[in-house]
Amino acid sequence: QVQLQESGPGLVKPSQTLSLTCSVSGGSFSSTTYYWNWIRQPAGKGLEWIGRIYTSGSTNYNPSLKSRVIISVDTSKNQFSLKLSSVTAAETAVYFCARGNWFEGGSDGFDIWGQGTLVTVSS
Amino acid sequence: SYDLTQPPSVSVSPGQTASITCSGSKLGDKYTCWYQQKPGQSPVLVIYQDYKRPSGIPERFAGSNSGNTATLTISGTQAMDEADYYCQAWDSSSVVFGGGTKLAVL
Repeated sequence: QVQLQESGPGLVKPSQTLSLTCSVSGGSFSSTTYYWNWIRQPAGKGLEWIGRIYTSGSTNYNPSLKSRVIISVDTSKNQFSLKLSSVTAAETAVYFCARGNWFEGGSDGFDIWGQGTLVTVSS
Repeated sequence: SYDLTQPPSVSVSPGQTASITCSGSKLGDKYTCWYQQKPGQSPVLVIYQDYKRPSGIPERFAGSNSGNTATLTISGTQAMDEADYYCQAWDSSSVVFGGGTKLAVL
């Protein structure tokens, strides 16, 4: 049973860098069938994809956040991480990590999610 | 940027069929996923590749996608299906989510 668990500070000051880590257990972290994502959700609002990484290190980012986001991976620890710089109060949200899975037929979806972690941006 | 538009809310009576739409330019040319999210919980994938159900998702969940509109259909809707539903697609190596639809089972 694959599980994802987010960890990191729950409070970040405006203009500083938000840093989170997602630990993956119970499965094949390095399989090329999977990629690893960060997604966030402000309270009462919808989902916003932040970006993804393959264990090869290849990344894609949301164009609206690209200049401030770095997603990295540590295959020795089965972890991937998010750094989002210059955060503002509007980026207070629940941050989820999620597994992207390439299914047969050439399509994909986010099939396993972490429980999410609330990050508040406030001084 | 690419946008996916969903109705903010849909209401359905128990046992009836609920339909939730997701509209985007030439969406039928892309694969669409649907996620169910209950309050305080993480989203759950209920449909991928427009119409396929992951293991464990009840058969009452069905999907279709053609033209500019993808549709999630829930047959024989149950009280437990009350949740927010999000469509999702890829555009130019970036994921786009719809704004979400709150399904009320009344």
